[in-house]
Amino acid sequence: QVLLQESGPGLVKPSETLSLTCTVSNYSISSGYSWGWIRQPPGKGLEWIGNIYHSGNTDYNPSLKSRVTISVDTSKNQFSLKLSSVTAADTAVYYCARAGFDYWGQGALVTVSS
Amino acid sequence: EVVLTQSPGTLSLSPGERATLSCRASQSVSSSYLAWYQQKPGQAPRLLIYGASSRATGIPDRFSGSGSGTDLTLTISRLEPEDFAVYYCQQYGGSPKYSFGQGTKLEIK
Repeated sequence: QVLLQESGPGLVKPSETLSLTCTVSNYSISSGYSWGWIRQPPGKGLEWIGNIYHSGNTDYNPSLKSRVTISVDTSKNQFSLKLSSVTAADTAVYYCARAGFDYWGQGALVTVSS
Repeated sequence: EVVLTQSPGTLSLSPGERATLSCRASQSVSSSYLAWYQQKPGQAPRLLIYGASSRATGIPDRFSGSGSGTDLTLTISRLEPEDFAVYYCQQYGGSPKYSFGQGTKLEIK
């Protein structure tokens, strides 16, 4: 059973950078697959943010591309999300998942507020 | 941009009934890259169907997927109480690379 766990601040100020890390257990990121971030604003639907491959190559949602950076640390079996210049519209539950989206983290609520 | 539109927005049915959920894509998508998810309140989405019609591991056979091109259908043959949730369709390979429908809420009548 592949396990994923998001971690990071639950409150971010407007204009600052949101940072989250996903720790993967029971599967080595280096072994393959791509790994992604998806978010869900309160009471709304799912939005794909981006994916990173074990090689380090990335794909981003064009609507967020200018503000998103996803990176991977294979030594820690983690991948991370940075979203810059956040506004209240970025308040959401952020999920990490294995591509194919067969395994998901439990989600981390990030609120953007001063 | 591939836009997925799900219908209906809300479906009210009783346990034991059959549910049919639809998803229409704004342009043709390979059936290999179409999926369905179930989400319950406070939980992460759960993969139900991938490749348009293949059940994910552990998914009961009352769930079935069909369709190709621009029209996708999720059918739940006989609703169990635990099936009442929000369902999302999803495509891979278009632009953006992944996108989800807006969801169908399946509620108890």
